[in-house]
Amino acid sequence: DVKVTQSSRYLVKRTGEKVFLECVQDMDHENMFWYRQDPGLGLRLIYFSYDVKMKEKGDIPEGYSVSREKKERFSLILESASTNQTSMYLCASSLTQGVSFFGPGTRLTVL
Amino acid sequence: DQQVKQNSPSLSVQEGRISILNCDYTNSMFDYFLWYKKYPAEGPTFLISISSIKDKNEDGRFTVFLNKSAKHLSLHIVPSQPGDSAVYFCAASFGGSNYKLTFGKGTLLTVNP
Repeated sequence: DVKVTQSSRYLVKRTGEKVFLECVQDMDHENMFWYRQDPGLGLRLIYFSYDVKMKEKGDIPEGYSVSREKKERFSLILESASTNQTSMYLCASSLTQGVSFFGPGTRLTVL
Repeated sequence: DQQVKQNSPSLSVQEGRISILNCDYTNSMFDYFLWYKKYPAEGPTFLISISSIKDKNEDGRFTVFLNKSAKHLSLHIVPSQPGDSAVYFCAASFGGSNYKLTFGKGTLLTVNP
């Protein structure tokens, strides 16, 4: 069965902290993605990776970075968390052509 | 510029009736379209997809229709059930973008018993 896991379901951080969100998939997918979901704005792509050590900016990359050292793991990094980064963060993976499978999400609150 | 649009933020239907959710797109490069369902505090789950070479795809109670000339797709749920109450996202992709998905803003479907 397809599985995408995210390190935390809920996270509370302080402004200025460095935040790491981890995502692991067990489907040997090439592509991995990070989205954020905000009310009324849908899902917006932050970064994606189509291979190990490869990454591309999505629609809203500012304030974020990513790391993909192994095929199954894709990390999202908030270098200095700000209150406007309070959001639901969703990781997904997919084959080169196909359906994206999502993790359960991380609800991040930045105080 | 929003490339995938879901113009109805919400839709309410009676149990047993048909639910029709609509989606419009502007990018003619899109060749693969998907619908996802999302419950609160959970990740989206894949529902049904359609390739641009088809105009209809059916899976049980769910049917997706694609009108390429109008750049429009719709999801039909028949019969609607209370458990179908969720936010539905339309998404589109194409090969030149490594198949990353562009999502609409979602439609909240409420099915009343």
